[in-house]
Amino acid sequence: QSALTQPASVSGSPGQSITISCTGTSSDVGGYNYVSWYQQHPGKAPKLMIYDVSKRPSGVSNRFSGSKSGNTASLTISGLQAEDEADYYCSSYTDSGTLVVFGGGTKLTVL
Amino acid sequence: EVQLLESGGGLVQPGGSLRLSCAASGFTFTSYAMSWVRQAPGKGLAWVSAISASGGSTYYADSVKGRFTISRDNSKNTLYLQMNSLRAEDTAVYYCAKDPSGITAHFDVWGQGTTVTVSS
Repeated sequence: QSALTQPASVSGSPGQSITISCTGTSSDVGGYNYVSWYQQHPGKAPKLMIYDVSKRPSGVSNRFSGSKSGNTASLTISGLQAEDEADYYCSSYTDSGTLVVFGGGTKLTVL
Repeated sequence: EVQLLESGGGLVQPGGSLRLSCAASGFTFTSYAMSWVRQAPGKGLAWVSAISASGGSTYYADSVKGRFTISRDNSKNTLYLQMNSLRAEDTAVYYCAKDPSGITAHFDVWGQGTTVTVSS
């Protein structure tokens, strides 16, 4: 069982917006603004999409945005495109001793 | 171009050992903390270990503590993971990742991964 809880799957049609949630505790998501999101296509390495809750690395589309409320962080993808179909993982710094915890991953299907 | 290139994976019997390497290029390796993250077949990402920029501080997931050792050679721009007493559950793709935050908050560059299979 992963330390952070994500829905197993979400789906949306091209052009629509979707949101993926990531629920933790006050020891990780709720206690620090160190939530990040990764996109992973099959057989590829993860790619950083969001860091520090809502910051986008250079080169990442502004269709990707992040937010946090309490112990739950969210990734929103607007204007869904076919190439957005991938697995998405959240992660957070944690003071529990493990340093980093990941979510179980969410498979995004673009219908 | 910023790049991380892992090597050293392979098939090993339970109880065996393996050393992974990660060659870094395109950035000032000595300035950044580094981590190993693994992904078991069909499963999610799991952080394994981290090391500070100087190499003076190391951190491990409970699942590998006492069996794995992370190290780095800043003169060779290379990160290592020595894996001993390997178990079937250590079977995974192992990625090295660059940590720009210094506190393992996020990873902005990932290698392509190297596959470790523990099986008799």
